[in-house]
Amino acid sequence: DAGVIQSPRHEVTEMGQEVTLRCKPISGHDYLFWYRQTMMRGLELLIYFNNNVPIDDSGMPEDRFSAKMPNASFSTLKIQPSEPRDSAVYFCASSLGSVSYNEQFFGPGTRLTVL
Amino acid sequence: QKEVEQDPGPLSVPEGAIVSLNCTYSNSAFQYFMWYRQYSRKGPELLMYTYSSGNKEDGRFTAQVDKSSKYISLFIRDSQPSDSATYLCAMSLNSGGYQKVTFGTGTKLQVIP
Repeated sequence: DAGVIQSPRHEVTEMGQEVTLRCKPISGHDYLFWYRQTMMRGLELLIYFNNNVPIDDSGMPEDRFSAKMPNASFSTLKIQPSEPRDSAVYFCASSLGSVSYNEQFFGPGTRLTVL
Repeated sequence: QKEVEQDPGPLSVPEGAIVSLNCTYSNSAFQYFMWYRQYSRKGPELLMYTYSSGNKEDGRFTAQVDKSSKYISLFIRDSQPSDSATYLCAMSLNSGGYQKVTFGTGTKLQVIP
């Protein structure tokens, strides 16, 4: 398996523009996570899905952020309109679900810069 | 107060040194304790995980958990330049039938040849 795939790897945009980040989880994994990483706040969970259904979106910073998972092999995170403070590295991760521990596998991340 | 506290470093050591990385936490409900390693411009990858208090060893790496003190550590013996990375501690608890993970902010380690 190729692992978790994210695109684009880098995105530079201007304030006010719409940004869409994409993720393909590992085949067979039923949980998908979106994280944001900054120097100040570290790795923060934004939202996660179980079997394509959003379970917990309490980490989504505000209404400008939205996430979808139309099928088991694809998810998007959209920011509209984008602001400079959204600049960060956004990671997608996937895992098998269980009441005991299951490893989360991370993608390479999308480095977003909002000017 | 954050649920998980981790010194950001950076920590710089000579090759061959023993490295000690630490985290404290406040939530006694955490069940699993993990260490992830993140190389520059890469995603985090799992290094080790433990469930109970005590030590777990894997090669040059030893993870230690002290639930009574709410303190976890990662020791790296005979450190190598290839160990240079950011190390993230992480902890999880059962939330609605799934282990919800909280990460520390990471400690950046540099091993100098």
